[in-house]
Amino acid sequence: GQNIDQPTEMTATEGAIVQINCTYQTSGFNGLFWYQQHAGEAPTFLSYNVLDGLEEKGRFSSFLSRSKGYSYLLLKELQMKDSASYLCAVRDETYNTDKLIFGTGTRLQVFP
Amino acid sequence: ETGVTQSPTHLIKTRGQQVTLRCSSQSGHNTVSWYQQALGQGPQFIFQYYREEENGRGNFPPRFSGLQFPNYSSELNVNALELDDSALYLCASSLYGEQETQYFGPGTRLLVL
Repeated sequence: GQNIDQPTEMTATEGAIVQINCTYQTSGFNGLFWYQQHAGEAPTFLSYNVLDGLEEKGRFSSFLSRSKGYSYLLLKELQMKDSASYLCAVRDETYNTDKLIFGTGTRLQVFP
Repeated sequence: ETGVTQSPTHLIKTRGQQVTLRCSSQSGHNTVSWYQQALGQGPQFIFQYYREEENGRGNFPPRFSGLQFPNYSSELNVNALELDDSALYLCASSLYGEQETQYFGPGTRLLVL
C-alpha cells in the first residue's frame, strides 16, 4: 500500500526554526519532493532528495533517510510569507509510470 | 511563473454534467500529468500522458478521461459529474522520466452543485 504521513498543522513564530516531518511507506521509491502551496495556488517546488542526507538551499533544508522511510523539511528564520501548506511527495515509478504520491500536507501558520 | 497554463481558472457545473479542462505544457516538456486536490488534502494522481497516449492511471473511474495533442497540450474530461468531483485540478508538465523537471500549472477550481 501507499502511506505518507505528515502532521496536519503546525504553528511557529517569526524568526524561529520549524521542522516538518514526513514518513512514508510506498511500493516504489525513487526520490522525495517537498512543495510549498499557498491557499488557492499551485504547489511550487522546494526540494528533491534522492540520496540519504541533508540538502541545504538558503533558508530551507531537506533531509532524507531511505532506510527509515523518513524525511524532514527545515525552515529557518521564519517569515510571515512562509505561512502555507507544505506537501511531502514520493516519486513512484511502479507500473512504469513516473508519478508523485502526496501526503495530505502540513499547514504552517507563522505568527508575529 | 512556470510556463504551464490551465483554463478555465474557475468553473461551476451541476451534477450529471460533463466538463473539459485544458492545460498547455511548459515549452520543451513532453509529458503531462493530471492531479485532483480536494480541499484540505494533497493532490492525487489521476493519469499521465506521453506521446499522445495514457501512460499510467491512478485510482479514478473511467468517466475521467484525457487527451494529449501533438503540441503536448492536454485535456481532462470528466463525465457524469458528482458532488465529490469538486476540487482543484492541477496539471503538471515535465520531460518524460524526469519528474524533477515537473512544474505545476495554477489549477482549475471546479465546483459541482
